[in-house]
Amino acid sequence: EVQLVETGGGLVQPGRSLKLSCVASGFTFNNYWMSWTRQAPGKGLEWVASITNSGGSTYYPDSVKGRFTISRDNAQNTLYLQMNSLRSEDTATYYCTRVGGYGVMDAWGQGASVTVSS
Amino acid sequence: DIQMTQSPSSISVSLGDRFTITCRASQDIGNYLSWYQQKPEKSPKLMIYRATNLEDGVPSRFSGSRSGSDYSLTINSLESEDTGIYFCLQHKQYWTFGGGTKLELK
Repeated sequence: EVQLVETGGGLVQPGRSLKLSCVASGFTFNNYWMSWTRQAPGKGLEWVASITNSGGSTYYPDSVKGRFTISRDNAQNTLYLQMNSLRSEDTATYYCTRVGGYGVMDAWGQGASVTVSS
Repeated sequence: DIQMTQSPSSISVSLGDRFTITCRASQDIGNYLSWYQQKPEKSPKLMIYRATNLEDGVPSRFSGSRSGSDYSLTINSLESEDTGIYFCLQHKQYWTFGGGTKLELK
């Protein structure tokens, strides 16, 4: 069974940093691209970052480019999201997602809640 | 950037009814379109991928279709467990979600 378990969420002040982790199991981690997607309270979904299976390339939307960094440790089956210079609008539940064939986000974690507030 | 315009934003449907949600893509996405169901306090669940393909375990009353730049999710004979929020996702060029459709029972 595919499992994605996020940790590291919490309350953080504006301008500070936070790092999320996602431990994967039930599949061959280094065969898949991985992504982070977020959902602000009561709002829709927004893609945040993606990384190739080797970790050699990363992709971000303009809303987080330069502030967020996605990375992975294939030996530990773990995906990371380093979030710097956090803003109130980054408040959301952050989901770790597996990217399957054709770019489909085919598996999701339970989510990690991040609140940016003073 | 590709924009996905999803409609309606909410809908109330009676048990046994048929209903359709539509996402319109701002550019050609060539069937790189998935549909997700989200229950309250849960993560999204993949229902349909590549516009028309049913994910394993998804009931056959769900179906996906395409007409030009419009992609649709149809539920035939609504059941109570089908309530929730539905999102489309284009994955042709990066990833963009539709705004979501909240499906409630009438």
